[in-house]
Amino acid sequence: RKEVEQDPGPFNVPEGATVAFNCTYSNSASQSFFWYRQDCRKEPKLLMSVYSSGNEDGRFTAQLNRASQYISLLIRDSKLSDSATYLCVVTGFQKLVFGTGTRLLVSP
Amino acid sequence: IAGITQAPTSQILAAGRRMTLRCTQDMRHNAMYWYRQDLGLGLRLIHYSNTAGTTGKGEVPDGYSVSRANTDDFPLTLASAVPSQTSVYFCASSRDRGTSPLHFGNGTRLTVT
Repeated sequence: RKEVEQDPGPFNVPEGATVAFNCTYSNSASQSFFWYRQDCRKEPKLLMSVYSSGNEDGRFTAQLNRASQYISLLIRDSKLSDSATYLCVVTGFQKLVFGTGTRLLVSP
Repeated sequence: IAGITQAPTSQILAAGRRMTLRCTQDMRHNAMYWYRQDLGLGLRLIHYSNTAGTTGKGEVPDGYSVSRANTDDFPLTLASAVPSQTSVYFCASSRDRGTSPLHFGNGTRLTVT
């Protein structure tokens, strides 16, 4: 089993839709969690950290489920500019693991 | 503007040649990293450094070496490039390794012919 797993997609959604991605992790002792966004041929950029109680940043909501060992990212009111690949990152014990990413395509 | 600078942006290199990819950060981050990204394989860690003066091997270190003489610089050297090292290389840094998020440079596109 991979340490961090994501559905590669692509997720094709119309503008205005709500879309959610999950990311599962295998190490129950993982400590910190993040979501990154990567545009084609560009560097990954930090989208948001994921806190135990869940957190929101505008149209984006991140949640952590330690019991089931997954994190989620919810995007509301999707924009064309949200089209990108979303990478989850799981850290712990000086180790940081990236998922391979979920591709999102938002169409007009 | 604070951040990470990588150079060159892109490079075409003949097989067998030596090449150093440069990476400099001005955020005074302790940890630095080199990743390569290939289609379908995601980001793979080549080498890392927890702090100046220390380095460690990632999951794909063969054919690469690094040094960390000071906090700011973390160059990656290909001693004798091979075509399989054609990739996009990202340098990154974080305050500490293992808990804080990474900040990435713009990347270096390397083609080995």
